[in-house]
Amino acid sequence: EDKVVQSPLSLVVHEGDTVTLNCSYEVTNFRSLLWYKQEKKAPTFLFMLTSSGIEKKSGRLSSILDKKELFSILNITATQTGDSAIYLCAVDNLGFGNEKLTFGTGTRLTIIP
Amino acid sequence: DAGVIQSPRHEVTEMGQEVTLRCKPISGHNSLFWYRQTMMRGLELLIYFNNNVPIDDSGMPEDRFSAKMPNASFSTLKIQPSEPRDSAVYFCASRPGQGRSWGTEAFFGQGTRLTVV
Repeated sequence: EDKVVQSPLSLVVHEGDTVTLNCSYEVTNFRSLLWYKQEKKAPTFLFMLTSSGIEKKSGRLSSILDKKELFSILNITATQTGDSAIYLCAVDNLGFGNEKLTFGTGTRLTIIP
Repeated sequence: DAGVIQSPRHEVTEMGQEVTLRCKPISGHNSLFWYRQTMMRGLELLIYFNNNVPIDDSGMPEDRFSAKMPNASFSTLKIQPSEPRDSAVYFCASRPGQGRSWGTEAFFGQGTRLTVV
């Protein structure tokens, strides 16, 4: 059974701090790892990672994948109150017709002004 | 495209009542997913469809839950009878499917917040 574990479960930091969120996984046939941000409603897509060691970056957010050690990290630098959200990690199986994503429980990030 | 559309946005019902949640996926997407989100268990996959056919329903908690997809543009998730422990946010999501999901994310609807009292 595919498994995705995120840590920490929750994190409270002050505005301007840098945070690192972790995601480890066990998947039968790994295809890709995805990060989502969830504020009040639906999760919204951040990154998709398929190759080890290649950093994806978008503004103050960046992410990298280690396929040997089976984990990914999401970094947020110079945090702002708008970064407060649940960050979800999901893994995708390699297999034609297998389109599902398995999610972790998420990390709840709170940024204090 | 308007994205994935779910209804209702909020539902409050009494224990024992039947509840039906509805979803319209993005046009052209062949894969549709129902997830349930709670504080304790996070985002759990309940069932997913490819080309209107249920592929994996191993996440459906028990026989009180059922899902259908009568055509490519509509799906329902039904709970009968409902219980207080079913209270959660239920999300529907879609992807291109048929092997075309490679390199694409799943797109989520706004969710239905279900409260069973």
